[in-house]
Amino acid sequence: GQQVMQIPQYQHVQEGEDFTTYCNSSTTLSNIQWYKQRPGGHPVFLIQLVKSGEVKKQKRLTFQFGEAKKNSSLHITATQTTDVGTYFCAGTFYGNNRLAFGKGNQVVVIP
Amino acid sequence: DTEVTQTPKHLVMGMTNKKSLKCEQHMGHRAMYWYKQKAKKPPELMFVYSYEKLSINESVPSRFSPECPNSSLLNLHLHALQPEDSALYLCASSQHTSGVYNEQFFGPGTRLTVL
Repeated sequence: GQQVMQIPQYQHVQEGEDFTTYCNSSTTLSNIQWYKQRPGGHPVFLIQLVKSGEVKKQKRLTFQFGEAKKNSSLHITATQTTDVGTYFCAGTFYGNNRLAFGKGNQVVVIP
Repeated sequence: DTEVTQTPKHLVMGMTNKKSLKCEQHMGHRAMYWYKQKAKKPPELMFVYSYEKLSINESVPSRFSPECPNSSLLNLHLHALQPEDSALYLCASSQHTSGVYNEQFFGPGTRLTVL
């Protein structure tokens, strides 16, 4: 089926260090979106990537979309305690209007 | 206004009760969604409305009944639920359902407990 796989599912990150979370699909995606959900909160839209090889930055966050539009990554530098939460990638497949969520990457920040 | 609102925030109901969840957005979005989310899991799509018409029903049991009275409102009517239906119910909206317009804005959710 059309699924989006996300790795790792859990990360413990020392404050100040960098980390990356990855998203992969076996099928070409129309677009990929990233969401962040804080503990006890709801998913909040971060970014959408549409073009092959696209790179977008938001302060300490860098988002990439692969050349084949089958994978994506989110890289966070100089991790802060406010980065704690679960990061979901969500992809749209051509011909399908559903947003397919990955299982999420739960990030714990160690002070 | 870039907010999606949901009421109530919390709901406890018995298996014989009838209750409704409400969602509202004033961003002019023409697509609205209901998701169910269990702890430590991703949101699971239930229903999609596009231009006030039901376009996707992900084989949801009939004890969940969606309704879209107008382009700003979305309801989820609950009847004869089971304890396993306890979860966070999220409403979301997007400009449209397709292409680059389906980035979704989520409401804070209703945390439902079925006893």
